[in-house]
Amino acid sequence: QKEVEQDPGPLSVPEGAIVSLNCTYSNSAFQYFMWYRQYSRKGPELLMYTYSSGNKEDGRFTAQVDKSSKYISLFIRDSQPSDSATYLCAMMSSSNTGKLIFGQGTTLQVKP
Amino acid sequence: ETGVTQSPTHLIKTRGQQVTLRCSSQSGHNTVSWYQQALGQGPQFIFQYYREEENGRGNFPPRFSGLQFPNYSSELNVNALELDDSALYLCASSLTGGLGYTFGSGTRLTVV
Repeated sequence: QKEVEQDPGPLSVPEGAIVSLNCTYSNSAFQYFMWYRQYSRKGPELLMYTYSSGNKEDGRFTAQVDKSSKYISLFIRDSQPSDSATYLCAMMSSSNTGKLIFGQGTTLQVKP
Repeated sequence: ETGVTQSPTHLIKTRGQQVTLRCSSQSGHNTVSWYQQALGQGPQFIFQYYREEENGRGNFPPRFSGLQFPNYSSELNVNALELDDSALYLCASSLTGGLGYTFGSGTRLTVV
């Protein structure tokens, strides 16, 4: 069993839709939770990070962490065609900083 | 110069050969990590360097080795290449203790 599970999709939505992306994990030591966006032929770009449980909002993006359920989510409001990319969740424990554990990534397509 | 730059962008090698990949860290970043991303998968942590010393390693064999130089640039060396080493190799730099890992666009390695 992988430490981090993420549905690879693909996920296809119309422009303007609310997108929900999710990951589950098994390691209770994870304290830092991140979402990266990766365009084709590019490296991952950090979108948001959260420490421990709770919500964090940045513009159209909202990240949620539920440590009791070992479940994290990223919501994208008013999705745009430019949001079409692969979204990777990543996690890290406080005792092993620098070692990011990534999910498989979910491919998102936003259709005009 | 800002951002993380990697070279070369693409590389084709024969099984059994050796390869060296290079990374120039973002200005001011003193920590560098290397990741392997197979097609359709999330990145996997290879190792991390801080002040020219390896200070964390993932589940990769010793034929994967690295160097970090005083100017914080870095190399990833892979000996005795295998077909399964074909992947995108990503370099990420950060400040120690920070969460702002900046990834390069990667080197696409194909082993034939």
